[in-house]
Amino acid sequence: AQTVTQSQPEMSVQEAETVTLSCTYDTSENNYYLFWYKQPPSRQMILVIRQEAYKQQNATENRFSVNFQKAAKSFSLKISDSQLGDTAMYFCAFMKESSKAAGNKLTFGGGTRVLVKP
Amino acid sequence: SAVISQKPSRDICQRGTSLTIQCQVDSQVTMMFWYRQQPGQSLTLIATANQGSEATYESGFVIDKFPISRPNLTFSTLTVSNMSPEDSSIYLCSACVWPSSYNEQFFGPGTRLTVL
Repeated sequence: AQTVTQSQPEMSVQEAETVTLSCTYDTSENNYYLFWYKQPPSRQMILVIRQEAYKQQNATENRFSVNFQKAAKSFSLKISDSQLGDTAMYFCAFMKESSKAAGNKLTFGGGTRVLVKP
Repeated sequence: SAVISQKPSRDICQRGTSLTIQCQVDSQVTMMFWYRQQPGQSLTLIATANQGSEATYESGFVIDKFPISRPNLTFSTLTVSNMSPEDSSIYLCSACVWPSSYNEQFFGPGTRLTVL
């Protein structure tokens, strides 16, 4: 079974500054996907960024980027130029690659609450 | 992509009763999932809703407590049966198209359930 650990329950950052959220995972799989989801107070889960394990290049989406270290099983998220709208819970998630549709299950970390201060 | 709606958005129920939550997707999807998010916690997968067959439940969740239906490729329901205050949670539906190179799951807005 896979486990995902987020060691930072809460982080605060000044507007326009940078914050990095950590995530580690444990798996025996070689092919898998990693995700960061954002959950604002509205409760809507929003995909922020995804990373395929077979890709060495770190994924980036505008102000969001990841540092994927496969050997260390680490997948951190960097939010640059933080905005007030970035205030939310952030969840790291793991999905193993599967030949069966039922393999598309997500395993979530415990979450990190990010507060962007004006 | 897929847009998902859930009904109701929230409800307050008495212990011992049951509530059925509906999940509607705006396009045909292969996989649908139900998650529970207890207060201040992360998301835990309850089950995978399979079209035309019984749902596949995760460890710790049973069909008698959380019966699930999936009559077609765009709709699913989750029933929380014989509720107790410990069932107070947000219940989220998600969907994805498989196989997909993106493996993205789209989530509904959730149903906030409070059991008194």
